[in-house]
Amino acid sequence: DTGVSQDPRHKITKRGQNVTFRCDPISEHNRLYWYRQTLGQGPEFLTYFQNEAQLEKSRLLSDRFSAERPKGSFSTLEIQRTEQGDSAMYLCASSSSLVSSPLHFGNGTRLTVT
Amino acid sequence: GDSVTQMEGPVTLSEEAFLTINCTYTATGYPSLFWYVQYPGEGLQLLLKATKADDKGSNKGFEATYRKETTSFHLEKGSVQVSDSAVYFCALSPNPTGNQFYFGTGTSLTVIP
Repeated sequence: DTGVSQDPRHKITKRGQNVTFRCDPISEHNRLYWYRQTLGQGPEFLTYFQNEAQLEKSRLLSDRFSAERPKGSFSTLEIQRTEQGDSAMYLCASSSSLVSSPLHFGNGTRLTVT
Repeated sequence: GDSVTQMEGPVTLSEEAFLTINCTYTATGYPSLFWYVQYPGEGLQLLLKATKADDKGSNKGFEATYRKETTSFHLEKGSVQVSDSAVYFCALSPNPTGNQFYFGTGTSLTVIP
């Protein structure tokens, strides 16, 4: 168990640019989640995959956000035409589908939009 | 809807003091309950969990008991250390086989020597 890995750790971009983040889940986990966390808040759900299928998306997720999980392994989260309000920590988590299985989080990608 | 409410922080304690962080929940079914800890610059780490009423989760000296009658899952530790300084999040999963997790806003703990 090498844990959930996220890349990059930090990203600074100018408003209007596109950014892409990568997440590698724990290999045995078939569920993968993306959350967003702003300062002083708990994680907010963005989207969820079971294997390669994206089963749920939050209403918070605007059309500028897209996530993929090809082949049910790693996942990418892309933000197009970034806005200053997108500045946040983007957390990836994975879990098994066993009953009451907890989320295992990566260390996150901190996005700063200038 | 399902939600979690945590006590407001920040909390500052002296080393070896007793810690309680309150958490109450609202859920329609039989949720699983979790405490996560987040150290500066890192993601959330699972601290402990409980999956049914009266279960006690414990880890690293921390404990929390699932109280259905009071819809609570308060985190406690008998003697805190400087290394416990972090942000603590209470969370629930409403359905044991489901995929939704709801987090509280977090409680920042600082332990001073």
